[in-house]
Amino acid sequence: GQQLNQSPQSMFIQEGEDVSMNCTSSSIFNTWLWYKQEPGEGPVLLIALYKAGELTSNGRLTAQFGITRKDSFLNISASIPSDVGIYFCAGQNNQGGKLIFGQGTELSVKP
Amino acid sequence: ETGVTQSPTHLIKTRGQQVTLRCSSQSGHNTVSWYQQALGQGPQFIFQYYREEENGRGNFPPRFSGLQFPNYSSELNVNALELDDSALYLCATGTRGTGELFFGEGSRLTVL
Repeated sequence: GQQLNQSPQSMFIQEGEDVSMNCTSSSIFNTWLWYKQEPGEGPVLLIALYKAGELTSNGRLTAQFGITRKDSFLNISASIPSDVGIYFCAGQNNQGGKLIFGQGTELSVKP
Repeated sequence: ETGVTQSPTHLIKTRGQQVTLRCSSQSGHNTVSWYQQALGQGPQFIFQYYREEENGRGNFPPRFSGLQFPNYSSELNVNALELDDSALYLCATGTRGTGELFFGEGSRLTVL
């Protein structure tokens, strides 16, 4: 079945630094989504990408849908303490259909 | 807040028991999906409902079943609970034909 490899598994950074994480797949997806999950809560949608090559921003977050449709990355600029959490990528083939999630990147930000 | 609400937030059951988890959909959404998230893992797709019928299923046994009601709320039922069923169960709602899915805060199930 389809699998997503998300890296890095964890990151420890200083407040103000930029962050980059990515997700690769063994097969193509038609949609990529990025979620953030904090302890005791459900995943919160950050960015949705629908077209190969698409670059989309949401405040300090920028995500790209890879040209091959097998990868995506998420950048966070000028990190702040409230960015702490686990970031998940998810691929989707049928819009509104099942999501296949990566294993998450745990982000820690030191003030 | 997504507008997707789940209940109960936490519950404890013993092996062999049955459990029902509930989800209220965000207004305007017509699909509901259920995911299982084990500790330290990403969510795993259980199944999706659309128009009150199952519309896709992941690799979960038949003792995992669900319902979607006319008001788009939903239930997840798990029979004959096993220790490995201990997890966070997440409900996600969306609109068919659009990619975005919005999650509730989850129901934390512990099976002893």
